[in-house]
Amino acid sequence: SQTIHQWPATLVQPVGSPLSLECTVEGTSNPNLYWYRQAAGRGLQLLFYSVGIGQISSEVPQNLSASRPQDRQFILSSKKLLLSDSGFYLCAWSAPPTMAKNIQYFGAGTRLSVL
Amino acid sequence: QKEVEQDPGPLSVPEGAIVSLNCTYSNSAFQYFMWYRQYSRKGPELLMYTYSSGNKEDGRFTAQVDKSSKYISLFIRDSQPSDSATYLCAMSEDQGAQKLVFGQGTRLTINP
Repeated sequence: SQTIHQWPATLVQPVGSPLSLECTVEGTSNPNLYWYRQAAGRGLQLLFYSVGIGQISSEVPQNLSASRPQDRQFILSSKKLLLSDSGFYLCAWSAPPTMAKNIQYFGAGTRLSVL
Repeated sequence: QKEVEQDPGPLSVPEGAIVSLNCTYSNSAFQYFMWYRQYSRKGPELLMYTYSSGNKEDGRFTAQVDKSSKYISLFIRDSQPSDSATYLCAMSEDQGAQKLVFGQGTRLTINP
């Protein structure tokens, strides 16, 4: 069966520090991968998605970047965190379009507090 | 106007009540509809998946789609305190869609 791992679960970082959040998927090949941010009491904001290694689509201009160095690894990064980067970050995967199954499966999330 | 509108609540009901959660949407091309449940400080988990119009039942949960009105609903019968969570609707135009459009989520509390 497929599983998605996301870490760390909680992170407290000072303003101006770098960020690296990692997400890995097991049990599937060539998944679509996603990074979302969820502000308290609000919906999911899609930040980045990837349909393959090295292929990243950015949904909103911001202080963050994403990379996909391996098929089942997705990394969210920042060189210098801002206070506004605080939030709950979620990684998700779905089957590639050729499998015609658009359900997204989410990781447990990382709660980031920038102080 | 947002593509998907969902009342954020919060919604608080007594245990055993029937709960109705709703989303409206503007894109008539949406055909695939999902409901996710998200417990506090956890990632969303898929609850229901439906295609086109009609009803789908799974235990105490029923998902209903009315494409003519661009309106979807999730009904919870005999609600339990363990149903307390945020419920998000999501939808897409086709099964190969790379992105889903999510509602804002409705925060639900079931009081014992």
